[in-house]
Amino acid sequence: SQTIHQWPATLVQPVGSPLSLECTVEGTSNPNLYWYRQAAGRGLQLLFYSVGIGQISSEVPQNLSASRPQDRQFILSSKKLLLSDSGFYLCAWSAGGHGYTFGSGTRLTVV
Amino acid sequence: GEDVEQSLFLSVREGDSSVINCTYTDSSSTYLYWYKQEPGAGLQLLTYIFSNMDMKQDQRLTVLLNKKDKHLSLRIADTQTGDSAIYFCAESIGNYGQNFVFGPGTRLSVLP
Repeated sequence: SQTIHQWPATLVQPVGSPLSLECTVEGTSNPNLYWYRQAAGRGLQLLFYSVGIGQISSEVPQNLSASRPQDRQFILSSKKLLLSDSGFYLCAWSAGGHGYTFGSGTRLTVV
Repeated sequence: GEDVEQSLFLSVREGDSSVINCTYTDSSSTYLYWYKQEPGAGLQLLTYIFSNMDMKQDQRLTVLLNKKDKHLSLRIADTQTGDSAIYFCAESIGNYGQNFVFGPGTRLSVLP
């Protein structure tokens, strides 16, 4: 069966520090992968999506970047965090079929 | 562009039915989805409906789709305290339905 792992679950980082959030998928190949951010009390904002290794599409200009070094690995990064980067980050995958499967999320607090 | 709208809050009493509404704009959506997010957790797929259907029932959940009005609803029968969560409506877009547009989410509060 397919599973998605996202870590860490929570993270507190100072302003200006780097960020790396990792997401891996098991049990499928060539998935579409997504990074979403959910600000407190608000909906989901699509940050990046990838349809294959090395292929990244960005939905909004921002302080973050994404990479897909392997078929089932998706990484969200920043060189220098801003206070406004705080939020709940969700990784998801789909195979073009019925719906997305989401990871359990990472709560990032930038202080 | 594509847009999905939902009411932000809904309160119901335990045992009553809940109806969460959603409107969308992309008439070419292939599938429409309902996701549930419990506090501090990721999103869980509850149910989905193919765009050529007008109703789907799954235990306590009933999804109604009015394609003409681009209106989707989720009815939860006999609402329980464990149903308290944020419910997201989503439509799939793109040539292969590979990208989703999510609504802002409806926070359902179930009162004892």
